[in-house]
Amino acid sequence: GAVVSQHPSWVICKSGTSVKIECRSLDFQATTMFWYRQFPKQSLMLMATSNEGSKATYEQGVEKDKFLINHASLTLSTLTVTSAHPEDSSFYICSARGGQGRYEQYFGPGTRLTVT
Amino acid sequence: KQEVTQIPAALSVPEGENLVLNCSFTDSAIYNLQWFRQDPGKGLTSLLLIQSSQREQTSGRLNASLDKSSGRSTLYIAASQPGDSATYLCAVWDYGGSQGNLIFGKGTKLSVKP
Repeated sequence: GAVVSQHPSWVICKSGTSVKIECRSLDFQATTMFWYRQFPKQSLMLMATSNEGSKATYEQGVEKDKFLINHASLTLSTLTVTSAHPEDSSFYICSARGGQGRYEQYFGPGTRLTVT
Repeated sequence: KQEVTQIPAALSVPEGENLVLNCSFTDSAIYNLQWFRQDPGKGLTSLLLIQSSQREQTSGRLNASLDKSSGRSTLYIAASQPGDSATYLCAVWDYGGSQGNLIFGKGTKLSVKP
């Protein structure tokens, strides 16, 4: 099956700093990538959708100036959390669509962000 | 607005038991439905995907059914094993927005005791 990787798997940063998370599709070209956030005991909430070479589409309530998404190539998308605050601490999961299973989304292993 | 509900929120069964996880969605205009498994602190593993025109999909000990008209899906796990312990998420891909997106339920946390 299609493989999606994320880096780093976990990160701890200080309040006010910025953190970048990478999402890569390893064996297929991801025409669309998605970023989700998951709080403890909650389900995944979609933050934004991005197509390669286009600006991301953000869900209602997600600050686009705080969560910067770049989808510069068909295999790489990045999420940058700017001026991080403790309430941004969460599990961030990316997903990619466009592999063999055309209607299927393949998920990365997630990144645990802790802001102190 | 599409909403996905999973019942029960948690389930504990002895090893070897057959079990059913339930998923319901409010808007039947879905493109497909997907069942995932999530282990603690990990990402999602896709288990089964059912296209809207299909009624069920099977993979090993797993069988998922879809009744679009009633807005329901079930995931049947046969002869459960301790390794099946995880949270199971149901998600529907609806037509919202220009590309559609997956709407997730909160999951059912399954514990299979040896």
